[in-house]
Amino acid sequence: EAGVAQSPRYKIIEKRQSVAFWCNPISGHATLYWYQQILGQGPKLLIQFQNNGVVDDSQLPKDRFSAERLKGVDSTLKIQPAKLEDSAVYLCASSSEIDTEAFFGQGTRLTVV
Amino acid sequence: SQQGEEDPQALSIQEGENATMNCSYKTSINNLQWYRQNSGRGLVHLILIRSNEREKHSGRLRVTLDTSKKSSSLLITASRAADTASYFCATETSGSRLTFGEGTQLTVNP
Repeated sequence: EAGVAQSPRYKIIEKRQSVAFWCNPISGHATLYWYQQILGQGPKLLIQFQNNGVVDDSQLPKDRFSAERLKGVDSTLKIQPAKLEDSAVYLCASSSEIDTEAFFGQGTRLTVV
Repeated sequence: SQQGEEDPQALSIQEGENATMNCSYKTSINNLQWYRQNSGRGLVHLILIRSNEREKHSGRLRVTLDTSKKSSSLLITASRAADTASYFCATETSGSRLTFGEGTQLTVNP
């Protein structure tokens, strides 16, 4: 089966600009996660979807970050405006049901200059 | 906030030796998972152990779970240079929330 697809792989933007990341989870997976991973740290959960509903967005900086999952399939994560501290790898993952493993995409490496 | 904490932060061993990494967590869990991440790559799932299980094996990997101590360990036996990577534990709590620790950087020297 095809894995989790993310694009772009790399993005460099200036601070105060906006950026969007796209994720296509594994077909049929109801749960979709977005994580932020700063260099040298573990992944930090930003938002979790169950189908097209938000389950947890408690750590999403809602003044600048937004995410949506249309029709319960693809998802986009947007940052507007970006700050220098947003430089990180943004990882998307999906899982089929409770109590099973999550599958990760290769991530999008964002550099804000 | 991070749920799990790995120990040690970094581990350097010789090829052929065993590597043990520990993870502690704070709240009740459905399961605990271990993932591996090579530099610049995504995370790869290694093994999942459910809250009612105490030990699990997969190839050269052995995972234990002690829910009374809220801790887990990952043992890699007969390590190889290709095992060099970061290893993360992740806990799944209610609602399938999956939370990661800060990881252990394992270096296996040939």
